Amino acid sequence: AQKVTQAQTEISVVEKEDVTLDCVYETRDTTYYLFWYKQPPSGELVFLIRRNSFDEQNEISGRYSWNFQKSTSSFNFTITASQVVDSAVYFCALIFYNTDKLIFGTGTRLQVFP
Amino acid sequence: EAGVTQSPTHLIKTRGQQVTLRCSPISGHTSVYWYQQALGLGLQFLLWYDEGEERNRGNFPPRFSGRQFPNYSSELNVNALELEDSALYLCASSHGTGGTEAFFGQGTRLTVV
Repeated sequence: AQKVTQAQTEISVVEKEDVTLDCVYETRDTTYYLFWYKQPPSGELVFLIRRNSFDEQNEISGRYSWNFQKSTSSFNFTITASQVVDSAVYFCALIFYNTDKLIFGTGTRLQVFP
Repeated sequence: EAGVTQSPTHLIKTRGQQVTLRCSPISGHTSVYWYQQALGLGLQFLLWYDEGEERNRGNFPPRFSGRQFPNYSSELNVNALELEDSALYLCASSHGTGGTEAFFGQGTRLTVV
């Protein structure tokens, strides 16, 4: 089965708190890509990161960081010092090489309060 | 550089009618994808077009169809609209296949009454 699970449906934090969004995936394939997208209230999906299955290095981009652990099939996303503008729905997605069909998790709604 | 553009942004149709949604990809991108985001159902893959050909389709009935034009823009057609077709339809484009990142448009919000 090919599946992406985002168990957290909604998270609320106060500004400046750190928050981690969980993503667990299932696949038998060895070559695949993982993505995170942000969907603000406007509806457009904003690309955040892509990671291939052979690259387990963690990545940091400003306040965003990603932890990819193949052993636990997880690709978690942490926002450090959250801001109100981070409020959005965040989707984790999986794609298999040469299928071009993104399989999305159900999304996590993050609300950051001032 | 212009992003993926979709038109119209909002649409209201009556059950049984037909609708056409339009998408212009980022310049240089040859692949276009359509996704449906219905309330409570998450994001579902609809169609993938590359170089004018339909490459893959999701688990949707044949009344969902589309095409890609020589300039790589795309249309999504939905015939015999049903109430359950009410959703946000998102178009995305990418410059390649096999896992390259897709960039999404702002979507078309379709309401079927």
